[in-house]
Amino acid sequence: DAKTTQPTSMDCAEGRAANLPCNHSTISGNEYVYWYRQIHSQGPQYIIHGLKNNETNEMASLIITEDRKSSTLILPHATLRDTAVYYCIVRGLNTGNQFYFGTGTSLTVIP
Amino acid sequence: DTGVSQNPRHKITKRGQNVTFRCDPISEHNRLYWYRQTLGQGPEFLTYFQNEAQLEKSRLLSDRFSAERPKGSFSTLEIQRTEQGDSAMYLCASSPYRGGVDGYTFGSGTRLTVV
Repeated sequence: DAKTTQPTSMDCAEGRAANLPCNHSTISGNEYVYWYRQIHSQGPQYIIHGLKNNETNEMASLIITEDRKSSTLILPHATLRDTAVYYCIVRGLNTGNQFYFGTGTSLTVIP
Repeated sequence: DTGVSQNPRHKITKRGQNVTFRCDPISEHNRLYWYRQTLGQGPEFLTYFQNEAQLEKSRLLSDRFSAERPKGSFSTLEIQRTEQGDSAMYLCASSPYRGGVDGYTFGSGTRLTVV
């Protein structure tokens, strides 16, 4: 599976949009981009995934660049409960379906 | 169904003892995964099952570790002769298998402390 690069940490003001970047320059054509987050002392929580097109759900939006080498997770109106570690993962369909987590981005939402 | 359930939530054991953790997945999910997470690191894959078949094991899963999923429902992860390096959060996750795109649902984990 392709590796990803994320900033170690970020801050965001409460109520503002949080934009979390991820680089995955070695992504291959059949690999999806997934985002999970992990709030302290809990298991990771699935947020969203996409292949080529931008995706939106009730939690977030995922913007994937046209060359698919990078993506951005957007939390449109960050709240204090969004403080967590966010993991960007690239995974293909033929790898046993396990996710390989890196160290993620620690997002702190500031009041 | 309330999600993936893991028991116990916390376990403290003495070095050399055996411990067993249990995971109850979401009932209609036929894939079940075990991960381990140490402080400051992301979760690391250990093994996964499709129904009752164990399909892959990570090199992290030494011969002191064994996982089972009898009848394709709940799963157990046993660690024999525990070592201090086994102290970690052990996470279980489940997913349906519908072509492999779906994300997982994780449980809250079992935190193991070996003293």
